[in-house]
This record gives sequence, C-alpha cells and structure tokens, in this order.
Amino acid sequence: DTGVSQNPRHKITKRGQNVTFRCDPISEHNRLYWYRQTLGQGPEFLTYFQNEAQLEKSRLLSDRFSAERPKGSFSTLEIQRTEQGDSAMYLCASSFSSGGMDEQFFGPGTRLTVL
Amino acid sequence: AQTVTQSQPEMSVQEAETVTLSCTYDTSESNYYLFWYKQPPSRQMILVIRQEAYKQQNATENRFSVNFQKAAKSFSLKISDSQLGDTAMYFCAFLSHYGGSQGNLIFGKGTKLSVKP
Repeated sequence: DTGVSQNPRHKITKRGQNVTFRCDPISEHNRLYWYRQTLGQGPEFLTYFQNEAQLEKSRLLSDRFSAERPKGSFSTLEIQRTEQGDSAMYLCASSFSSGGMDEQFFGPGTRLTVL
Repeated sequence: AQTVTQSQPEMSVQEAETVTLSCTYDTSESNYYLFWYKQPPSRQMILVIRQEAYKQQNATENRFSVNFQKAAKSFSLKISDSQLGDTAMYFCAFLSHYGGSQGNLIFGKGTKLSVKP
C-alpha cells in the first residue's frame, strides 16, 4: 500500500461545468476526510466519513458540493456548476479510528482551476 | 470555536542551525491534540510531530521537538540541525477530543521555512 491516492492530480474546467474528484484511502482506514486549501492558507475542513456514513459537513460545503463514500472504500467529491472561487487544492486524508489520537494521512491533492 | 494562529508567514535559517516556529491556539476544551505538519513544495503533507494535551512532557522526534505550554495555549516547533530537505510549509493543527469523538483538523495559515546552504 503506497498511501492515499487522489485522481486527477490537476483539473482545469470552465465555469459552470461539473467536476468529480476521487480519493482512495489507505486500505484499512475507516475514516476519510476532505479539505480545501487555497493559496497561502492552511487546509480547511469540508467533510468526513466513518466507513460509508458522512458524519460531519462544514458550512463551506455549499449545496453545489456533494461527497460520497460507497461501501466505505474510495470517496468522490463532486462540484456542480463550478465557480472561479472553487479554484483550490482539494486534499483527501484518511485515518484509522481506534478511540485514541487518529493520525490523518494526506494524499497529494487535486488542484482545480476554474476558468 | 477553536482557532489556530501562526504569526510567522515566512522564516529562513542557515543549514545546520536551529529554528523555532510559533503557534498559538484558542480553545475552551481541556482534552485535545496538537500537530505539526510539513508540506514540501508540490508534495503531500506529512506529519512531523504530535502532542496530546494531557501529557505534560514535550514530544520529540529526532531533530524535531515541541514546546507545549498548555496554560499559554502555545505550541512551538523547534528544528535542530536544519537540513535543506526541511524547506517546506509548516502547518500547526488542532484536533478536538471532545466527548471522546474526533473530527476534523483545524489548521493555521502556515509558516514557509527556507533552509539556506
């Protein structure tokens, strides 16, 4: 297992188009997180899953954003009707929740550019 | 709501010297975790060091150590014997452990560290 993977690594789209990103977590990890990172800022939380259940969503996650994690494995993040303000790096992380301090392992991110 | 503040947007250090990155946070909770993450240019974020709030002893990982001052809500990172490979963005992050549950990391804005030969 080589860690958390994300595809695509880069996505350029025109305003108004829909985009979908995929995250494959470390195989034994039951938690999966999505963050957004804009230039010069730290990552901001969007949502997270425990297995297939979406347990928390940030107010940053507008109704144009939807995330799924079918069968508790990989996850997808879809942005509908993209806007220029959606341009950012989208990071995925995974962890194994054991009741203690989860270490979140991050993927390389998907850089979205909305023209 | 918890917040994390990194007051040094950029820092530089000469190779082999020591540098300290600052982080302060705000929370009303007593049980939480603190982390320093490193994000090298165009590479993924990796964990450098972690601290559990209920442990008074400062964490150490090889050349990296922290100065955790719970009352002052301060969590600084010291890098000893700086190496060129330490050049990266460094993020301080907070994780709540309220009620035994955990969720998202709260990050500071980061400090860009440049190690000069």
